[in-house]
Amino acid sequence: GEDVEQSLFLSVREGDSSVINCTYTDSSSTYLYWYKQEPGAGLQLLTYIFSNMDMKQDQRLTVLLNKKDKHLSLRIADTQTGDSAIYFCAETRIFGNEKLTFGTGTRLTIIP
Amino acid sequence: DTAVSQTPKYLVTQMGNDKSIKCEQNLGHDTMYWYKQDSKKFLKIMFSYNNKELIINETVPNRFSPKSPDKAHLNLHINSLELGDSAVYFCASSQDRWRGSTDTQYFGPGTRLTVL
Repeated sequence: GEDVEQSLFLSVREGDSSVINCTYTDSSSTYLYWYKQEPGAGLQLLTYIFSNMDMKQDQRLTVLLNKKDKHLSLRIADTQTGDSAIYFCAETRIFGNEKLTFGTGTRLTIIP
Repeated sequence: DTAVSQTPKYLVTQMGNDKSIKCEQNLGHDTMYWYKQDSKKFLKIMFSYNNKELIINETVPNRFSPKSPDKAHLNLHINSLELGDSAVYFCASSQDRWRGSTDTQYFGPGTRLTVL
């Protein structure tokens, strides 16, 4: 079965880079996603990466994928107070149904 | 212009009652989903419908019944509500992969259900 793991908490000083890590077990994962959930709000898609890519950059966000180790990371450059949220990684598989399997979420706290 | 909308945003009810949560998407997507987020923020798929047809049912109790009158709507009806049903329920939608999409799922704002 599929399993997606994340650290529960991360604290970063404002202006520093944040790196949120995720590991998954399903080698047939196709797309891997990062979602952001602010307090009391829904899930906002931040970015995604296809399994045949190693890296994707989008403004302050950099996604790195190590398929061999089944490790995904999200780097947020110049972290701001507005980045405080829970970050979820999620994956879907090549075959079978289209459901998203989510990680446990990482709560990012920004220290002024 | 709201892409995926849910009503109500908050729902407080007594144990044993029957309630419905509605979801609508105006993205022209073919597939819609219901997810449950528990008190520890863990998110798990409940159901998925593709063009009004059920394609995922993740061992959810029979008290939960999704209904899709058309491909833009997926409602969730819950019978005989229990304390453990208290959670935030998220609706989502995505375009079919065969149309060249990335399965990207867009989420609604969530419905916080509290069962007393």
